Amino acid sequence: DAGVTQSPTHLIKTRGQHVTLRCSPISGHKSVSWYQQVLGQGPQFIFQYYEKEERGRGNFPDRFSARQFPNYSSELNVNALLLGDSALYLCASSFSGETEAFFGQGTRLTVV
Amino acid sequence: QKEVEQDPGPLSVPEGAIVSLNCTYSNSAFQYFMWYRQYSRKGPELLMYTYSSGNKEDGRFTAQVDKSSKYISLFIRDSQPSDSATYLCAMSALGYSSASKIIFGSGTRLSIRP
Repeated sequence: DAGVTQSPTHLIKTRGQHVTLRCSPISGHKSVSWYQQVLGQGPQFIFQYYEKEERGRGNFPDRFSARQFPNYSSELNVNALLLGDSALYLCASSFSGETEAFFGQGTRLTVV
Repeated sequence: QKEVEQDPGPLSVPEGAIVSLNCTYSNSAFQYFMWYRQYSRKGPELLMYTYSSGNKEDGRFTAQVDKSSKYISLFIRDSQPSDSATYLCAMSALGYSSASKIIFGSGTRLSIRP
């Protein structure tokens, strides 16, 4: 079975631009969470979605938004990019939102 | 003070040694405890998942949770060069039917010398 897949794997954007990151969860999993990992730190929680509804939101500005589609895939959108948004963005999949979460390989975003 | 504290290392041990990795935490509501392994420029891989206090063993890996001391450990027996990676402890206060906000430590870089 395929694991969590994320696209694109790498992305370079300019300050002020908008970016959309995509995630497909493990087949049968209905919950997707997004995390930001800055170099040298552990991942930080951004959002969790379950059955297309937002379950939780971390301490991130409103420039960050997300949604989950009927097929349980998800998008993370970031507007008005800042240099500090440069990070590895991770998507985690779980069956029903419990904490046994499985991560994708991430999208490495560089803002210049 | 961070909710989860983890020594960033780096930790370097010879092949075959027993490795001990540790984390402390401050939130007594944490009930779910995890260890992830992360290779350079890759996503975290779930190694161990435990609920509440006690020990859990899986092959060469043993996870221990001591909620009274707010301390968790991961032991790796017969360490191999392929174990060289960053190890992230993680924990959560909530589980089924609730937002599973996982709090991670900053990670310990481990290097196994052949």
